[in-house]
Amino acid sequence: EIVLTQSPGTLSLSPGERATLSCRASQSVSSSYLAWYQQKPGQAPRLLIYGASSRATGIPDRFSGSGSGTDFTLTISRLEPEDFAVYYCQQYGTSPRWTFGQGTNVEIK
Amino acid sequence: EVQLVESGGGLVQPGGSLRLSCAASGFTFSTYSMNWVRQAPGKGLEWVSYISSSSSTTYYADSVKGRFTISRDNAENSLYLQMNSLRAEDTAVYYCSREDITRINYWGQGTLVTVSS
Repeated sequence: EIVLTQSPGTLSLSPGERATLSCRASQSVSSSYLAWYQQKPGQAPRLLIYGASSRATGIPDRFSGSGSGTDFTLTISRLEPEDFAVYYCQQYGTSPRWTFGQGTNVEIK
Repeated sequence: EVQLVESGGGLVQPGGSLRLSCAASGFTFSTYSMNWVRQAPGKGLEWVSYISSSSSTTYYADSVKGRFTISRDNAENSLYLQMNSLRAEDTAVYYCSREDITRINYWGQGTLVTVSS
């Protein structure tokens, strides 16, 4: 079973700053199967990135994804007030069908 | 517009049972695989169960295997999760979600299940 480890656990930044979030897999993952989600308090997760680097419909271009193999990155180029949230990486498999990282909390500094 | 609306959550005693439902609309339900994902209070996301579009294939997380059963009714555009032998650690918000090949594009708003005496 693949384990996804996200770092850092918490990222304290100011609006306008750049955010770099890491997701490391315990074994190689197909880029096609790696996604990123954003979740705000009291809300369901929202798909941001799929296939490691493709933005989902309606996602602003300040969000970008990259990586391959075991190391993947979500970058927010300039943080907007609405971007402060928890971010999860996710890997698609068979069983378990979906594996999530433990999340990175991007908070206002 | 795609909509997924969960219901059936509530307070249940340890060892009890609960059946969650998810009403789907805005898409051809019978052509999509579906999943249940849960989130314990203040914790991260945990995949619970998967069912293929025709119900021919199901998967479960080890933590719920043998206790939970996923099912669907394509004629009624509905997804279900029968939860038996509930434990305190099953307390969570349960999300119904539509699988789009390698990602989850749509989520319901969630229904809270609390297992407590």
